[in-house]
Amino acid sequence: DAGVTQSPTHLIKTRGQQVTLRCSPKSGHDTVSWYQQALGQGPQFIFQYYEEEERQRGNFPDRFSGHQFPNYSSELNVNALLLGDSALYLCASSLGDRDGAEAFFGQGTRLTVV
Amino acid sequence: AQSVTQLGSHVSVSEGALVLLRCNYSSSVPPYLFWYVQYPNQGLQLLLKYTTGATLVKGINGFEAEFKKSETSFHLTKPSAHMSDAAEYFCAVSGGTGGFKTIFGAGTRLFVKA
Repeated sequence: DAGVTQSPTHLIKTRGQQVTLRCSPKSGHDTVSWYQQALGQGPQFIFQYYEEEERQRGNFPDRFSGHQFPNYSSELNVNALLLGDSALYLCASSLGDRDGAEAFFGQGTRLTVV
Repeated sequence: AQSVTQLGSHVSVSEGALVLLRCNYSSSVPPYLFWYVQYPNQGLQLLLKYTTGATLVKGINGFEAEFKKSETSFHLTKPSAHMSDAAEYFCAVSGGTGGFKTIFGAGTRLFVKA
């Protein structure tokens, strides 16, 4: 079992550009959540996808959008990048129908905006 | 709104000493509680979780935590620290009024001295 895989591992973008990050969930998991972790801080919830729909969203602007595919993999898109978007982006997968289900995290994508 | 407070951004212990990392949560209903560990440049790994039932929860690598509803606390302990325990530790809460999202504390960096 490969666990949660994210790509790419590192990325450098220029302000104003757009970026797409990808996540493949752990085998058998149907729910994907995305988090932003700034340096020295805890992860901040961006949104969660379940059954190809955004089920819940955190306090992030509309520049942050996502998608979940029928195979449960997911993408995070960020438009009009700002310097403040530089962070580690973490994807976590879980079983969506279980309260308190454990989330399995990927290694993250380190995004640097210059 | 739910929140998590981790007391002490940095904790330093000697190898073999007791590890105590403090976590307090705010939630109007009993939530699900988690402790995660993060090693440098890696994702988060679940140490243990509390959902229902026994309030003393045992996790991996000798860690345990006790859910105290009256104190709204979920402190993490380990009787004897090992050098390999040096990492960032995050307390997190989900469920209840927060819905599906997981809210993380700011983290506590554990240093282990030889």
